[in-house]
Amino acid sequence: GENVEQHPSTLSVQEGDSAVIKCTYSDSASNYFPWYKQELGKRPQLIIDIRSNVGEKKDQRIAVTLNKTAKHFSLHITETQPEDSAVYFCAASGSYQLTFGKGTKLSVIP
Amino acid sequence: KAGVTQTPRYLIKTRGQQVTLSCSPISGHRSVSWYQQTPGQGLQFLFEYFSETQRNKGNFPGRFSGRQFSNSRSEMNVSTLELGDSALYLCASSQGQGNEKLFFGSGTQLSVL
Repeated sequence: GENVEQHPSTLSVQEGDSAVIKCTYSDSASNYFPWYKQELGKRPQLIIDIRSNVGEKKDQRIAVTLNKTAKHFSLHITETQPEDSAVYFCAASGSYQLTFGKGTKLSVIP
Repeated sequence: KAGVTQTPRYLIKTRGQQVTLSCSPISGHRSVSWYQQTPGQGLQFLFEYFSETQRNKGNFPGRFSGRQFSNSRSEMNVSTLELGDSALYLCASSQGQGNEKLFFGSGTQLSVL
């Protein structure tokens, strides 16, 4: 089955700096890669996603890049703000399911 | 549009008991998935239902089961509870395939004592 590795597990950045979270996947058949943000005590929320026929996608301060050949994808957050502090999960699509990475706890220091 | 609703929000049970969790999907969503979330382990897939049929099941023991009703509402059941079953159980709904654009509920926090 699909296996998703996510790094780093924790990340601290100064407010205004950029943050990058990286994921690798194992199943070349996966074709959909979402990112979820989970604030403390709240539900995971979809923040951005990308399909395998696209190399990059941007939405304001967040962007995702995908390298199908290397089977890795990354989340980039620019001009970080304290409200970006949360746990971020990457995922890859499988048969009627998503396989998630173990999460990255991002702390933005004011 | 109302979001995904899960009840109850919190549950405390003792070992050996059984528990039933409920999930109401977003109106119009026919796929319902269940995930177990524990600290440091991320989200582990339990099962996915569409039109009352289980289409996929994760690597969990048979004590974990689920079902979906004709109105797309879903329940999951855990029998003979173990301490290790303590976790946040998240339900998610989507329009079709169960592997894209999942919308999660707030979860049921289960504590097994």
